Amino acid sequence: QVQLVESGGGVVQPGTSLRLSCAASGFTFSSYGMHWVRRAPGKGLEWVAHISYDAIKKYYADSVKGRFTISRDNSKNTVYLQMNSLRAEDTAVFYCVRDKAYGVYWFDPWGQGTLVTVSS
Amino acid sequence: EIVLTQSPATLSLSPGERATLSCRASQSVGSLLAWYQQKPGQAPRLLIYDVSNRATGIPARFSGSGSGTDFTLTISSLEPEDFAVYYCQQRSDWPLTFGGGTKVESK
Repeated sequence: QVQLVESGGGVVQPGTSLRLSCAASGFTFSSYGMHWVRRAPGKGLEWVAHISYDAIKKYYADSVKGRFTISRDNSKNTVYLQMNSLRAEDTAVFYCVRDKAYGVYWFDPWGQGTLVTVSS
Repeated sequence: EIVLTQSPATLSLSPGERATLSCRASQSVGSLLAWYQQKPGQAPRLLIYDVSNRATGIPARFSGSGSGTDFTLTISSLEPEDFAVYYCQQRSDWPLTFGGGTKVESK
């Protein structure tokens, strides 16, 4: 079955960096766009970044543009989120999500999430 | 940025009752709107896409309607497992955006 497994979360200090990974299985990874979506404590869902199936197109939320970079390795069925200059407001559960279909930006399925805590 | 406004913020209902959730967009998104359900401690899951299409495995008591800027998610008869937070999301334009969510709680 389709599975997305995030890793790399943890507790970090403001201003530092962290890289999240998402290992995909159960589908042809190289055919699907991927996203990161987050949910901060007590808040709603926020889309963070998207990468196309071939890594040519990348989009970011304004809140992370210039600080976060999404990438993928289709040979490893893995998508990454490099997060630099982390701030307290980046504290959230980060979910890895797949496009429902090619070019169809509905989020299905979701990984279980990885918690990132930015605190001094 | 397309802003999605969900109402009410909280809906207090009893099992068996009908739930009606609203999502309003700041500009037309056509039919490019979806709904998600999130339960505590779980990842969200896709319920409805393209306004009214149920995702795989979603029961028929969930239905969606609307177009342009005004959309509705209806749960015809609440089951105990339906008490959760519901989000709408648009894919009409970048950035992709979510509504703030509606919490459906047990009265």
